[in-house]
Amino acid sequence: VVLTQSPATLSLSPGERATLSCRASQGISTYLAWYQQKPGQPPRLLIYDTSKRATGVPARFSGSGSGTAFTLTISSLEPEDFAVYYCQQRDNWPPLTFGGGTKVEV
Amino acid sequence: EVQLVEAGGGWVQPGRSLRLSCSASGFIFTDYAMNWVRQAPGKGLEWVAGIGGSGGPTYYGDSVKGRFTMSRDNSKNTIILQMNNLRAEDTALYYCVKSLSYGPGNYLDRWGQGSLVTVSP
Repeated sequence: VVLTQSPATLSLSPGERATLSCRASQGISTYLAWYQQKPGQPPRLLIYDTSKRATGVPARFSGSGSGTAFTLTISSLEPEDFAVYYCQQRDNWPPLTFGGGTKVEV
Repeated sequence: EVQLVEAGGGWVQPGRSLRLSCSASGFIFTDYAMNWVRQAPGKGLEWVAGIGGSGGPTYYGDSVKGRFTMSRDNSKNTIILQMNNLRAEDTALYYCVKSLSYGPGNYLDRWGQGSLVTVSP
């Protein structure tokens, strides 16, 4: 399954709403996760099964979608949210696959 | 606290071998699948291999199949990635990653800091 993320870069200001897209080359039900990666750090699981927040993830992060179209929404950007975000599917594996990433920048 | 500590990275010439290890602590090791995920410099994430909580079948990405072998030693809370016939395109930071549950093919909820592998003449 090929995951295509858009846009590649999202330029926003703190306090604004961020909407990130992930499209799958075939239907993957709701078996999709989102990760956040900051420079010099490993990725962090944010959302799994499309809309379930991982432990400790703030409520401003939410996920939606099904089939081939998915969205990660950050309702109001905090300074620490500027990072690269990846989607990942587990419906049709191996292999587990990731999208190419969306960079959220100031 | 979950801790995943990778070791064994370094520089190696093309065609040679390298062995990565990952020591895990802070959780019941046999209850979770484990994985290796790599990230080439400045690039995205690529899943390399995964194995279930009790061991059993190991699964590989197409780019490493036949060259890499993943195993786990549940008595030592350790996973191993044996990398043979290394290529320049294997150059990456290799992360040891815990799955969200017992079965392989799942989400990845805890990541180590990574071990850098550089393949060049």
